[in-house]
Amino acid sequence: ETGVTQSPTHLIKTRGQQVTLRCSSQSGHNTVSWYQQALGQGPQFIFQYYREEENGRGNFPPRFSGLQFPNYSSELNVNALELDDSALYLCASSFPGKGETQYFGPGTRLLVL
Amino acid sequence: EDQVTQSPEALRLQEGESSSLNCSYTVSGLRGLFWYRQDPGKGPEFLFTLYSAGEEKEKERLKATLTKKESFLHITAPKPEDSATYLCAVQASYGGSQGNLIFGKGTKLSVKP
Repeated sequence: ETGVTQSPTHLIKTRGQQVTLRCSSQSGHNTVSWYQQALGQGPQFIFQYYREEENGRGNFPPRFSGLQFPNYSSELNVNALELDDSALYLCASSFPGKGETQYFGPGTRLLVL
Repeated sequence: EDQVTQSPEALRLQEGESSSLNCSYTVSGLRGLFWYRQDPGKGPEFLFTLYSAGEEKEKERLKATLTKKESFLHITAPKPEDSATYLCAVQASYGGSQGNLIFGKGTKLSVKP
């Protein structure tokens, strides 16, 4: 069984630039969620995709957007990067059900200068 | 407002010294409570899912329990390799983002040999 993978592992951008992060779901999972984790904090929910449709969104501005593809892989796009966007970005995949467990990837560390 | 509070923020134990980590939560209908382990710079690793008060689950030196207001992660005779940050998260049954996990800030556990 293939786990959740993310790319790239690390990324450095400058303020105002745009970034795309990628995630491949665990085999058999059709739901993907994205989280932002600042240093010393717990992950914060950005949004979730189910069968290529957004299925819930946290308290993040519209410059955070996403896509899910037919093979259930996903992208997180962030426009007009700000210094506070520096964080570990985590992708998690799951299969809908009772209290469905979300399995996380290794994350992408983004540094905005 | 749904929220999760973990205590203590940090815990230092000697190898073999058993202890417990606390996770207090308020949520509009609990769909599931989750425990994860996170090593520095990596994604959270799934440990347990608990669904209802009175439920208990065990894995090696770890045991998770659940009441209507809190969960405990008991660590019996810990080893240095148990050193990590332990994250607690809840999933709500009601509200706009039913699929997302609401995380606490975590407890950083250090086990000295």
